Amino acid sequence: SAVISQKPSRDICQRGTSLTIQCQVDSQVTMMFWYRQQPGQSLTLIATANQGSEATYESGFVIDKFPISRPNLTFSTLTVSNMSPEDSSIYLCSVEKVREETQYFGPGTRLLVL
Amino acid sequence: KQEVTQIPAALSVPEGENLVLNCSFTDSAIYNLQWFRQDPGKGLTSLLLIQSSQREQTSGRLNASLDKSSGRSTLYIAASQPGDSATYLCAVRVHEGGSNYKLTFGKGTLLTVNP
Repeated sequence: SAVISQKPSRDICQRGTSLTIQCQVDSQVTMMFWYRQQPGQSLTLIATANQGSEATYESGFVIDKFPISRPNLTFSTLTVSNMSPEDSSIYLCSVEKVREETQYFGPGTRLLVL
Repeated sequence: KQEVTQIPAALSVPEGENLVLNCSFTDSAIYNLQWFRQDPGKGLTSLLLIQSSQREQTSGRLNASLDKSSGRSTLYIAASQPGDSATYLCAVRVHEGGSNYKLTFGKGTLLTVNP
């Protein structure tokens, strides 16, 4: 298993500002992911955070809007840039360990943009 | 493109009732299927994982079945309790080549078990 913490747990932000969300895992993991869950919607994969290289983004998500860092095997950040009310969502960090066929999820960051 | 649908979107039952949650997916070429539970502020907890070659998995009062050819899975909860109240998510895992896998989620079923 993996224990994942996210900071902040929730925030209320003003339009046009940026927020950086941190994800910390208690053990080294091979894969780290960032998901978005908009109200009433399913979880949608934003990107895979790659250690030491640029993240791999899914269709519809771009680095300028969601820059991601992963400086080591246990930590990653997601920044939501130039926020608008449409960015109000829960953002979840997820990890996968080698030879395990499941992902573990953090508690999520609930973001409200006014 | 894989799509996952969950029915019903919401369900309210009295305590003690047995219930079934449904999940369907459009592409049967899945690696496995997983049922998660989501509680507010607590992220997702994996309940059951069914490999593509398996038909069902059981854990306590939970039983999940998989019919890969028809693209369907059900989650059966026996003798429901108020503590079972949560959103239940179905997700299919697809191999995208090499070491890359992707999870596709349904929108979930919001379950309320009334005392």
